[in-house]
Amino acid sequence: GNSVTQMEGPVTLSEEAFLTINCTYTATGYPSLFWYVQYPGEGLQLLLKATKADDKGSNKGFEATYRKETTSFHLEKGSVQVSDSAVYFCALSDSDTNAGKSTFGDGTTLTVKP
Amino acid sequence: DTAVSQTPKYLVTQMGNDKSIKCEQNLGHDTMYWYKQDSKKFLKIMFSYNNKELIINETVPNRFSPKSPDKAHLNLHINSLELGDSAVYFCASSPDRGSGYTFGSGTRLTVV
Repeated sequence: GNSVTQMEGPVTLSEEAFLTINCTYTATGYPSLFWYVQYPGEGLQLLLKATKADDKGSNKGFEATYRKETTSFHLEKGSVQVSDSAVYFCALSDSDTNAGKSTFGDGTTLTVKP
Repeated sequence: DTAVSQTPKYLVTQMGNDKSIKCEQNLGHDTMYWYKQDSKKFLKIMFSYNNKELIINETVPNRFSPKSPDKAHLNLHINSLELGDSAVYFCASSPDRGSGYTFGSGTRLTVV
């Protein structure tokens, strides 16, 4: 079956530091890949996505590139802010079955300190 | 003008009770989902409906029953609540596989 493995947290960084959160996946077909962000007390919000190999998703300074050869979709940001503190989820959407059912990673908690 | 709205936001109830959570989306999406998030933030899909038809029913106790009166609504009814049902329940919708989900803000269920 499909699975998503994320870098374990928590991750603590100082403001303006470089962020990488690793994500690798296992899928039988050609999935779409996503990053979601969950701020405290809120629902998940779609941060960025990529639907085919070598696509780069980007939003709010965050980027991730769909790497089919390494089955990875690592999230990066050049300079984090305190307001980026949240839980980040990597996810994939199955291409073949179940009308877009998404499989989520376990989430990585990011804390950014001033 | 909330895209996916869930009610109630908080629900505290005693073991053995029956409760419902409502979800509505105004995005015109065909597919809606219920996810459960536990205390460690792990997300697990429970159900999915596509245009009122059940298409995903994961290994969920029979005490949980979804109902979709139309494609904009997906409600979750839970019978005989147990302590282990305490979690945050998220409703989500999606137009298609490649677009990702729009989530509601969640319902925090606490069973005492």
